[in-house]
Amino acid sequence: AQSVSQHNHHVILSEAASLELGCNYSYGGTVNLFWYVQYPGQHLQLLLKYFSGDPLVKDIKGFEAEFIKSKFSFNLRKPSVQWSDTAEYFCAVNPYGNNRLAFGKGNQVVVIP
Amino acid sequence: DAEITQSPRHKITETGRQVTLACHQTWNHNNMFWYRQDLGHGLRLIHYSYGVQDTNKGEVSDGYSVSRSNTEDLPLTLESAASSQTSVYFCASSEGGVIGEQFFGPGTRLTVL
Repeated sequence: AQSVSQHNHHVILSEAASLELGCNYSYGGTVNLFWYVQYPGQHLQLLLKYFSGDPLVKDIKGFEAEFIKSKFSFNLRKPSVQWSDTAEYFCAVNPYGNNRLAFGKGNQVVVIP
Repeated sequence: DAEITQSPRHKITETGRQVTLACHQTWNHNNMFWYRQDLGHGLRLIHYSYGVQDTNKGEVSDGYSVSRSNTEDLPLTLESAASSQTSVYFCASSEGGVIGEQFFGPGTRLTVL
């Protein structure tokens, strides 16, 4: 069955540690890829997205995600986390032309000050 | 600013009662979605709509129904609430096309006693 896999559901880190969250999907063909973040008590917000072009996408808070087509992966990284990065992170896949998103089960990340 | 609102934000009901959760978006998006979020399961799609009068079942649609009479609203109805439907429910919308990015509402926490 087609799926989106996120491993290590619970991640606990100290501030300034590096973070890497894996995301693998089993959909063939062209896909759009997303990382959503859900801060405590809040709704899901888009963190990063990949549609085409440079496979490395970045945001202003220091997060980056790399699309590796051969590995069907879209891993999320941040070199130095902050306490405010405590959140749940969801990877999502949108098969091209399909208006639905398939979500992974999420990674609960806790950053200890 | 465009947004998605959900009401109520919190609801406690009893087993067997009918419950309707409201979702209203001002993005003028054609596509609307209902998800439930449960620990260990991530987000699972309940129902979705690609436009007025269009509704479709998602992966966990049993016990739920939706109707789409206008662009802005997609109410979710639990016909006869069950304890297994205790969850956090998120509504989302997207403009369609090939991109697939979805915008989420703040969620409704439903408890079925």
